[in-house]
Amino acid sequence: TQLLEQSPQFLSIQEGENLTVYCNSSSVFSSLQWYRQEPGEGPVLLVTVVTGGEVKKLKRLTFQFGDARKDSSLHITAAQPGDTGLYLCAGEGSTLGRLYFGRGTQLTVWP
Amino acid sequence: SQTIHQWPATLVQPVGSPLSLECTVEGTSNPNLYWYRQAAGRGLQLLFYSVGIGQISSEVPQNLSASRPQDRQFILSSKKLLLSDSGFYLCAWSLGGWGYTFGSGTRLTVV
Repeated sequence: TQLLEQSPQFLSIQEGENLTVYCNSSSVFSSLQWYRQEPGEGPVLLVTVVTGGEVKKLKRLTFQFGDARKDSSLHITAAQPGDTGLYLCAGEGSTLGRLYFGRGTQLTVWP
Repeated sequence: SQTIHQWPATLVQPVGSPLSLECTVEGTSNPNLYWYRQAAGRGLQLLFYSVGIGQISSEVPQNLSASRPQDRQFILSSKKLLLSDSGFYLCAWSLGGWGYTFGSGTRLTVV
């Protein structure tokens, strides 16, 4: 059973376009984290959101945590080829530090 | 600053041979430590986690075991590898609730 569902699984866009990636669950999480992973490397933490309704911005990336702390979204403005990678969301359950990962969204940005 | 070292980067092993992957963390004390396996660049499957020396929790019963002989050392082992053990193995640490830091991974191919 996949606790976190990410959509879309694959996204291929042109440089300069905007995109949104979704992470949904029927479970409540104490925090939600987003990671980006490049081929052959470990995932790198982008952001942690902890408060329902919270919005965090990281340059062209905007992260939102749902009011009920069950879902999250990642919006990228004016995508660049350097944004290419696998984006993973992960929710922290009742056990502190125990994360449940989604399957990821593979983003490809073409120049 | 905190760093995590994982080795080797790649490994090709015959079926039935033993396995030992090592992970060490620097710059922090009493971290939570994790071993994940990732199939085909997709979602992460938690294999083992540890909250302290000698304390190991297994998420998925399988052909692998883990040990934590020192505070900042985490070892993944197998006595006899199976073809299905092939994959990308990731070690990670956290101090609970604020995101994981992953190693660079080990690509294991069992032949």
